[in-house]
Amino acid sequence: NAGVTQTPKFQVLKTGQSMTLQCAQDMNHNSMYWYRQDPGMGLRLIYYSASEGTTDKGEVPNGYNVSRLNKREFSLRLESAAPSQTSVYFCASSERGLREKLFFGSGTQLSVL
Amino acid sequence: GENVEQHPSTLSVQEGDSAVIKCTYSDSASNYFPWYKQELGKRPQLIIDIRSNVGEKKDQRIAVTLNKTAKHFSLHITETQPEDSAVYFCAAGMKTSYDKVIFGPGTSLSVIP
Repeated sequence: NAGVTQTPKFQVLKTGQSMTLQCAQDMNHNSMYWYRQDPGMGLRLIYYSASEGTTDKGEVPNGYNVSRLNKREFSLRLESAAPSQTSVYFCASSERGLREKLFFGSGTQLSVL
Repeated sequence: GENVEQHPSTLSVQEGDSAVIKCTYSDSASNYFPWYKQELGKRPQLIIDIRSNVGEKKDQRIAVTLNKTAKHFSLHITETQPEDSAVYFCAAGMKTSYDKVIFGPGTSLSVIP
């Protein structure tokens, strides 16, 4: 039982490059989320998927897209990376909704040069 | 929208002393208040949460208190140990068109042996 697994752990991009962050959970959770963490700003929700087949914008969605591939997998795509997207990205899941325990992945440290 | 403030931003205590972290929120509709602990380089993990129908909750050495009238809640850690050193995030959640949870900026706690 691995919980929430996200890849890669580290990534360096040049401005304008694209990439996809992958996330998978094996807890049969309905809801999945992508957060970014910046110093002094806590965790901010980028996109979420309340259930398989649905996705919605969170607090800071600009510059990102997501895909809920199936119940287990939720990916985050940066189409044209910008230095402002340098951050640590966390995927998370919960049984149903944000107002219960979130299980986080181990994080992706992304640098955009 | 909801805004969550957290104080202090850094806190140092001697091993065995108590630590208190305070958070305030702005939206009176908030009814879910989790606390997450993030050790250096690790993922955030839920340590305790409280819902608006209770004023206090305890789990061994940690406790959370909620004052809905004043819109503030606090984390209390007693008999601190070096392994309590981490960044602690409070959050406030509510149900809007979707579950919304806003995180505070975090408190870096150092327990000095």
